[in-house]
Parts: sequence; C-alpha cells; structure tokens
Amino acid sequence: DTGVSQDPRHKITKRGQNVTFRCDPISEHNRLYWYRQTLGQGPEFLTYFQNEAQLEKSRLLSDRFSAERPKGSFSTLEIQRTEQGDSAMYLCASSSHVGGLSSYNSPLHFGNGTRLTVT
Amino acid sequence: AQKVTQAQTEISVVEKEDVTLDCVYETRDTTYYLFWYKQPPSGELVFLIRRNSFDEQNEISGRYSWNFQKSTSSFNFTITASQVVDSAVYFCALHTGNQFYFGTGTSLTVIP
Repeated sequence: DTGVSQDPRHKITKRGQNVTFRCDPISEHNRLYWYRQTLGQGPEFLTYFQNEAQLEKSRLLSDRFSAERPKGSFSTLEIQRTEQGDSAMYLCASSSHVGGLSSYNSPLHFGNGTRLTVT
Repeated sequence: AQKVTQAQTEISVVEKEDVTLDCVYETRDTTYYLFWYKQPPSGELVFLIRRNSFDEQNEISGRYSWNFQKSTSSFNFTITASQVVDSAVYFCALHTGNQFYFGTGTSLTVIP
C-alpha cells in the first residue's frame, strides 16, 4: 500500500490556459474521487469513478472540467480555459467498495493534493 | 439533504488539556457512516475514526475517543492530553449512498 499519489503538487498557470492533474489511487481500490478544497472550507465533491465508469458529477463541475479513468487505475482531471476562481487545492481520494447485501465502503484515503493557482 | 456542521471554527488549548470537537449532521438515510479526518499543515487528509449508524457504542482508541448520539445527530471527537502534534484542522464527514459530505473543519492549535 503506497498510498494515493497526485501530480503535480503545485501548478501555477495563467488564466485561459488548460491544466491537467493526475491521480494514482491505492491499487486495490475500485473507487476514485475528486474533491476541491478552498481556504477555510472542507472538501467539496466534484466527481467519482467506480473502476473506469464515471458514476456521478457534481453540479459544481462546469463544462470546462473533465475527468477520466481510462483503465480503472489512474485518473486525470483537466480544466480547460482556467479562471481565477478555479484556484484551489484539488484532492484525489480512493476507496474500496463492495456492493450487494453485504455492502461495504472503506474510508476515503486521500492524496496530498494539487494546489492550483491561476494568475 | 445531507449536511455536516462544525460550529467551532478555531480552538486553542494548552498542551495536556483535553479538547472536544463538535460535529452535528443531517441525513434522512438510516444507513450511513461518520468519520473524523485530520489535515495537518502538510495538507494530506488523514483518516482517524469511523462509525456506522447502527453502532452507537462509544469507544476509546489511545488518546482519541468519540461520542456518537443518534438522538441529537452528533458525533463529537475528544483528544485527551493534547500534544503539539495534534495541531491541525479536523474534519467531520458523513458518508451515505455514494457520497461523502464534509464539514467546514475545526482548526485546533495546541500551545506548548
């Protein structure tokens, strides 16, 4: 268990540029979540995947945001035409989910996050 | 609607004092989980404890203990004999369905 890793740790970009972040979850986890956290706030849900399927997206997620998890392992979050309001910490988390009668959800395990600054 | 409220924005205690962090949640679901996470200055959210909605037994784990009361929808977290390393932002979270809902956090400062 090497934990959840995110890359890059920091990203500074100019308004209007596109940025892409990567998340590598804990290998045995089938669920992957993206959250956004601004100063003084708790994490806000953006989207999540179960294996390669994107099952839910927040209404906060504008059309400029897109996430993928093509092989059910790592995930990328892309923000197109960045705006200053996109400046935040982007957190990735993974968990293990088992459905059915004995449904089980493990706690979320978070990465260190990617801090985005849009100038 | 699901909601988590942490009314305490900031708390300061002197080292070795006990401190309790309050959490109140709202949900109409009967099956849910409650969590506490710690976010030190380094930024990574660290899982501390979890409780499911069917288990109101309160426990102690080392210096941590929690008080889960469904009647008041509260899930309070206590650190006994606080240490400087406990200084961090603490988040209470509610997991129901496929979502995790976080409070706004309580910033704890332990003064040596």
